[in-house]
Amino acid sequence: GENVEQHPSTLSVQEGDSAVIKCTYSDSASNYFPWYKQELGKRPQLIIDIRSNVGEKKDQRIAVTLNKTAKHFSLHITETQPEDSAVYFCAASKNNQGGKLIFGQGTELSVKP
Amino acid sequence: DVKVTQSSRYLVKRTGEKVFLECVQDMDHENMFWYRQDPGLGLRLIYFSYDVKMKEKGDIPEGYSVSREKKERFSLILESASTNQTSMYLCASRGLASNEQFFGPGTRLTVL
Repeated sequence: GENVEQHPSTLSVQEGDSAVIKCTYSDSASNYFPWYKQELGKRPQLIIDIRSNVGEKKDQRIAVTLNKTAKHFSLHITETQPEDSAVYFCAASKNNQGGKLIFGQGTELSVKP
Repeated sequence: DVKVTQSSRYLVKRTGEKVFLECVQDMDHENMFWYRQDPGLGLRLIYFSYDVKMKEKGDIPEGYSVSREKKERFSLILESASTNQTSMYLCASRGLASNEQFFGPGTRLTVL
């Protein structure tokens, strides 16, 4: 079945630095790739997503890139701030699955002031 | 705002007990999902429901069942709880107009 691998599992950066989290997926039919952020003790929330007909999408300090040929996508956070500290999950899905998402294992990002 | 609520934040049960976890959403969403979250394993899909009275197995359905008698409510049932079902359980819902899943606050279940 579909599998999503996420790396690294933990990431520590200094405030102001950039952070990159990478995911690979196995099913070439996947066409929707969201990223969720889960702050400590809180529920996951969607922060950005990308569809397979787009190579890159930006929203202020966060961006996602997609390489369909290599079947991987990445989350980029620039000018990191302490409030970016959280667990980030990537996911993948394809049409006609009722919105079913396959999640990666998660990356715990720590931004040190 | 979409509101997804779960019946308990913390739950402690004994091995062999039948456990019910309830999830309610107030946005008339068609799709609902149950995940379990374990460190290093991410969010794993247990069951999901396309619509009322419809259900589909996810990636780890063994030991679980679900019920969706009303559109707003999706219940997860552990027929006979075991210690390896100790976990954080998250419910989510999604409407057809968007791909975004909205999560509940989670239920941390401990099975002794």
